[in-house]
Amino acid sequence: DTGVSQDPRHKITKRGQNVTFRCDPISEHNRLYWYRQTLGQGPEFLTYFQNEAQLEKSRLLSDRFSAERPKGSFSTLEIQRTEQGDSAMYLCASSPQGPGELFFGEGSRLTVL
Amino acid sequence: AQSVTQPDIHITVSEGASLELRCNYSYGATPYLFWYVQSPGQGLQLLLKYFSGDTLVQGIKGFEAEFKRSQSSFNLRKPSVHWSDAAEYFCAVGANSGYALNFGKGTSLLVTP
Repeated sequence: DTGVSQDPRHKITKRGQNVTFRCDPISEHNRLYWYRQTLGQGPEFLTYFQNEAQLEKSRLLSDRFSAERPKGSFSTLEIQRTEQGDSAMYLCASSPQGPGELFFGEGSRLTVL
Repeated sequence: AQSVTQPDIHITVSEGASLELRCNYSYGATPYLFWYVQSPGQGLQLLLKYFSGDTLVQGIKGFEAEFKRSQSSFNLRKPSVHWSDAAEYFCAVGANSGYALNFGKGTSLLVTP
């Protein structure tokens, strides 16, 4: 399968713990995006990479959140000291150069107890 | 800033009936417009997109959408709905000067027998 893959698909953690999500984009795509989606809402933009450079971050991305794309391929999204309000689906998407559609993975669902 | 409004949170239609889902956007120039569908447990899938040209665009699964600049709208239509169309539908707007897409809050479609 050559689509966007995310791991893990589900994560349950206790408040205060750190969690990390991984995203493997479509191999020829140089753009990678992270979104967050809560119940009843549309996806909300978190951050964007072009190759390894993080070019844009939303105000939603607090200091507890950090994202990396070290070699311009896969990306990780880490949440430190998780809070119950972090419970959401974290979506990764990739796209080729230029404006156009985003190709989404199936998401990583986080539940913070 | 770009924004997207989907006025209908829930819509119920009978199988075989026609469907129209509304989407209004706010953006200074001609935006890039998208409709995505999200079925339970699945990732977001692109239905169709509009960049320029013919204002009536055809997508997958028998869907179409019409861009109306004067109304700042990009409504999604299908002439005959199937039970498998039950899902969450998201309108999204992108800009040539930006990178990420802004999504509406979605419309949940229920199809009754």
